[in-house]
Amino acid sequence: DAKTTQPTSMDCAEGRAANLPCNHSTISGNEYVYWYRQIHSQGPQYIIHGLKNNETNEMASLIITEDRKSSTLILPHATLRDTAVYYCIVPQGGKLIFGQGTELSVKP
Amino acid sequence: DTAVSQTPKYLVTQMGNDKSIKCEQNLGHDTMYWYKQDSKKFLKIMFSYNNKELIINETVPNRFSPKSPDKAHLNLHINSLELGDSAVYFCASSWVRNSAGTGELFFGEGSRLTVL
Repeated sequence: DAKTTQPTSMDCAEGRAANLPCNHSTISGNEYVYWYRQIHSQGPQYIIHGLKNNETNEMASLIITEDRKSSTLILPHATLRDTAVYYCIVPQGGKLIFGQGTELSVKP
Repeated sequence: DTAVSQTPKYLVTQMGNDKSIKCEQNLGHDTMYWYKQDSKKFLKIMFSYNNKELIINETVPNRFSPKSPDKAHLNLHINSLELGDSAVYFCASSWVRNSAGTGELFFGEGSRLTVL
């Protein structure tokens, strides 16, 4: 089962794009990458997931490298409300295992 | 309407007591989960039920007993509470697992349990 590594923390200026990297070098061919976030004192919130192709929805874009060993979550125009812990997850045995995530601080 | 709702949101109790946390989802999902988030903020899966049947049971003390009366409800009962049980407990639901692994999980707002 694949595990993920993410930077512990990142800062981003309000209105700029936030690019959150994730390494999952041991991912196998049929494993998806999921992204969630947890805003302080709230439950985790699903953002996006992907397998091979880049994905985009109303919240974010997910860029997956061709070898699938890493991915980047992009928040195109970060706002103060995007300050949260962002989790990159490859399900293990059908379970979402949350690591420490990246604490993103969006600053004015 | 709240998709995944948990009650109570806050619970303060003494060591040794027995308490329950209730969870209900109105999304029509097949699968429900309990997660625990401790003071270090790590989220750990505890249990998962699919159509009222237990499918995931992590190494959780047997003082914790989930009960699913129907697929819209998954309650968590904790016996003989200990200080280490203090945490935020999150309920979640999703469609039955598909080829994507787990599908999208919808989480409740959490229930903060404090054991004194």
